Amino acid sequence: QQQVKQSPQSLIVQKGGIPIINCAYENTAFDYFPWYQQFPGKGPALLIAIRPDVSEKKEGRFTISFNKSAKQFSLHIMDSQPGDSATYFCAASRRSSSNTGKLIFGQGTTLQVKP
Amino acid sequence: DTAVSQTPKYLVTQMGNDKSIKCEQNLGHDTMYWYKQDSKKFLKIMFSYNNKELIINETVPNRFSPKSPDKAHLNLHINSLELGDSAVYFCASSLPGLALQETQYFGPGTRLLVL
Repeated sequence: QQQVKQSPQSLIVQKGGIPIINCAYENTAFDYFPWYQQFPGKGPALLIAIRPDVSEKKEGRFTISFNKSAKQFSLHIMDSQPGDSATYFCAASRRSSSNTGKLIFGQGTTLQVKP
Repeated sequence: DTAVSQTPKYLVTQMGNDKSIKCEQNLGHDTMYWYKQDSKKFLKIMFSYNNKELIINETVPNRFSPKSPDKAHLNLHINSLELGDSAVYFCASSLPGLALQETQYFGPGTRLLVL
């Protein structure tokens, strides 16, 4: 059972474009939604994260939009640059007494930004 | 200084062999994880340790055995390697606080190829 579904699988945009990556989750107990960025040959690194008490969070050129009722969240990259070319993963986790920090990842989106 | 390090970076071995991957973090974190990333880049958690105590043990064959000698180290031993074990294995660490959901810092990965 895929608890976090991510789309599209791949995305190509021109420099300056605004790629949008979407994620949908099933478990309403999830309460933390990070996005990780992974460059080829490297480990994933946290890009931005949101909690469900806000509908939007912006950090530099990266924005998360969150729709709690629809159980969906998305990543927007403003003024995309070739250096943004990477694989992006959405994820979700839920607070628990066991303090596990268990992240459920989406399938990933490979983004290519053309010069 | 490297925050989360893994050795080896590459591992090529024959089916049936036993191998180990080592992970060390110098961030002072309490929690460490092992993730498996398959050929389609899907990331899935395998294990998590908090202060040397196993707290997450996903549905992983018992040929995989994690060991945490201290909270800065988490090693992964794999017995009787199979072709399907070929993947990239990532170690990660975090410092769960009151929010229970802190940034996970990933290592560079160990690329395992079983022939």
